[in-house]
Amino acid sequence: LAKTTQPISMDSYEGQEVNITCSHNNIATNDYITWYQQFPSQGPRFIIQGYKTKVTNEVASLFIPADRKSSTLSLPRVSLSDTAVYYCLVGDGNDYKLSFGAGTTVTVRA
Amino acid sequence: NAGVTQTPKFRVLKTGQSMTLLCAQDMNHEYMYWYRQDPGMGLRLIHYSVGEGTTAKGEVPDGYNVSRLKKQNFLLGLESAAPSQTSVYFCASTLPGTGSTDTQYFGPGTRLTVL
Repeated sequence: LAKTTQPISMDSYEGQEVNITCSHNNIATNDYITWYQQFPSQGPRFIIQGYKTKVTNEVASLFIPADRKSSTLSLPRVSLSDTAVYYCLVGDGNDYKLSFGAGTTVTVRA
Repeated sequence: NAGVTQTPKFRVLKTGQSMTLLCAQDMNHEYMYWYRQDPGMGLRLIHYSVGEGTTAKGEVPDGYNVSRLKKQNFLLGLESAAPSQTSVYFCASTLPGTGSTDTQYFGPGTRLTVL
């Protein structure tokens, strides 16, 4: 499984854009990049997934450069309710042992 | 669909007691997982199952046993609870894709305290 590295924590203010970069230097050809969000006292939930270039949904955007050795999760105009831990995972459809690291704790302040 | 449900939500045990945590999913998912999450930490995989009747060890399997007698249920057992097993336990399930999407759906968690 490709190892990922992401910042431990990030602070932001309401209305700002938050960008979290995840490094995955050993990503394999078949690997996808998936981000999960976890609120306190809840299980993680899927946010977005991508393979290359850019993916956007109603919650976030995911930017993946051509070499795919990193990826950036972008949360536009965050609100207090976006305060959570964000996990970056890398794997393919056969990786039924996806590894969750410590994640990035994002704190949004008023 | 209820998604992934876990029973119980909270439990307090004394050292040496045993208990079983139940995870149920109604999405017809093949794969199921048990994780534990200690304060300020990420999730660590305890055991997982890729189908009915099959189980396998994850990162931290010691002190736990599992069973998957029915496709929709995945049970996690603690035979002799220890204070080190105080944690929040999450169950998850996934329908393996064809090489791309492999989204895990998580339950609400069981908060276990071992005194």
